[in-house]
Amino acid sequence: QKEVEQDPGPLSVPEGAIVSLNCTYSNSAFQYFMWYRQYSRKGPELLMYTYSSGNKEDGRFTAQVDKSSKYISLFIRDSQPSDSATYLCAMAITGGGNKLTFGTGTQLKVEL
Amino acid sequence: DAGVIQSPRHEVTEMGQEVTLRCKPISGHDYLFWYRQTMMRGLELLIYFNNNVPIDDSGMPEDRFSAKMPNASFSTLKIQPSEPRDSAVYFCASTTAGRTGELFFGEGSRLTVL
Repeated sequence: QKEVEQDPGPLSVPEGAIVSLNCTYSNSAFQYFMWYRQYSRKGPELLMYTYSSGNKEDGRFTAQVDKSSKYISLFIRDSQPSDSATYLCAMAITGGGNKLTFGTGTQLKVEL
Repeated sequence: DAGVIQSPRHEVTEMGQEVTLRCKPISGHDYLFWYRQTMMRGLELLIYFNNNVPIDDSGMPEDRFSAKMPNASFSTLKIQPSEPRDSAVYFCASTTAGRTGELFFGEGSRLTVL
């Protein structure tokens, strides 16, 4: 079993829809939870960052962490075609030297 | 500021040949990571350096892979001999100690081994 599990999709939604992306994990030592966005033929870039449990909101994006369930989510409101990309969750432990463990990514397509 | 720079962007080679991928991290960053991305396995950490010293190479698949960081502004990942199963996109990323969780990735080197 992988430490981080993520449904690869693809996920196709109409413009304006609310998108929910999720990851589960098995290592209870993870304390840092990130979402990266990767456009086609580009490197991943950090989208959202959360430490420990709770919610974080940034514009149309909301990240949620439920450590009791070992489950994290990314919500995208009012989705736009420009949101079409692969979204990767990533996790790290405290004192891990910036070593991140990534999910395999969920491919999202927002259609006009 | 320039981001992480990788070369070559694309490499097509034949099985058995030596492949060298290069990376220039962002100036001032003291962590450098090499990742490999495939459809089946996603992003896998191969090795990372801190202050030019290899810290964790447990992800390096086998002895055919080696990585060096001779100075703070340059790193190489070498595959010798290459095999078709090495075909993937190889990413270099850098960051600094105060940015836990935030890696800055290059655009990747797409390797195809025939």
